[in-house]
Amino acid sequence: NAGVTQTPKFQVLKTGQSMTLQCAQDMNHNSMYWYRQDPGMGLRLIYYSASEGTTDKGEVPNGYNVSRLNKREFSLRLESAAPSQTSVYFCASSGDLYEQYFGPGTRLTVT
Amino acid sequence: KQEVTQIPAALSVPEGENLVLNCSFTDSAIYNLQWFRQDPGKGLTSLLLIQSSQREQTSGRLNASLDKSSGRSTLYIAASQPGDSATYLCAVRPYSGAGSYQLTFGKGTKLSVIP
Repeated sequence: NAGVTQTPKFQVLKTGQSMTLQCAQDMNHNSMYWYRQDPGMGLRLIYYSASEGTTDKGEVPNGYNVSRLNKREFSLRLESAAPSQTSVYFCASSGDLYEQYFGPGTRLTVT
Repeated sequence: KQEVTQIPAALSVPEGENLVLNCSFTDSAIYNLQWFRQDPGKGLTSLLLIQSSQREQTSGRLNASLDKSSGRSTLYIAASQPGDSATYLCAVRPYSGAGSYQLTFGKGTKLSVIP
């Protein structure tokens, strides 16, 4: 049982480049989330999808877009990467009890 | 705005000791509280989830308690082992409203268990 998977594990981008982070879960969860984790700032919610077909902004949505492709998959897109987006990105999912399960993370560096 | 505080930020104990990690939150209108463990360079692993109607949850050597009225939760680790070394985070989910999907995280307690 894979749980929550994320690709890629590591990525280096130049300022202005774009990329999409992929996330998939196999727990049949309705809700999915994207977080970023920065030293001293803790974990902050970027976007979430309460159910298939819906997405909503979290605490720090600027510079990001998301797509809930189907119940399993939730992607995060950086259209024009900036050094301030250097971070570790985590995807998570939750079911009826709202217990959140996290993926292994993507470490992104923007130069 | 909900704020979650974890004190101390770091803790070092000898192997075998029982220990308590603390988590406090400012708004008692929560749906649940979740404790996580994070190893360096890894994702978060869910340890225990306590619903707002519950007082405690247990899993193996771990016991988490919740006192919603005072805005406090504790994570008790019995007979600590070097493998317990990690950062422990707590997070609260608000009871309802537009932000009810947003967990608020504490900054964590970094635990080191010395052999």
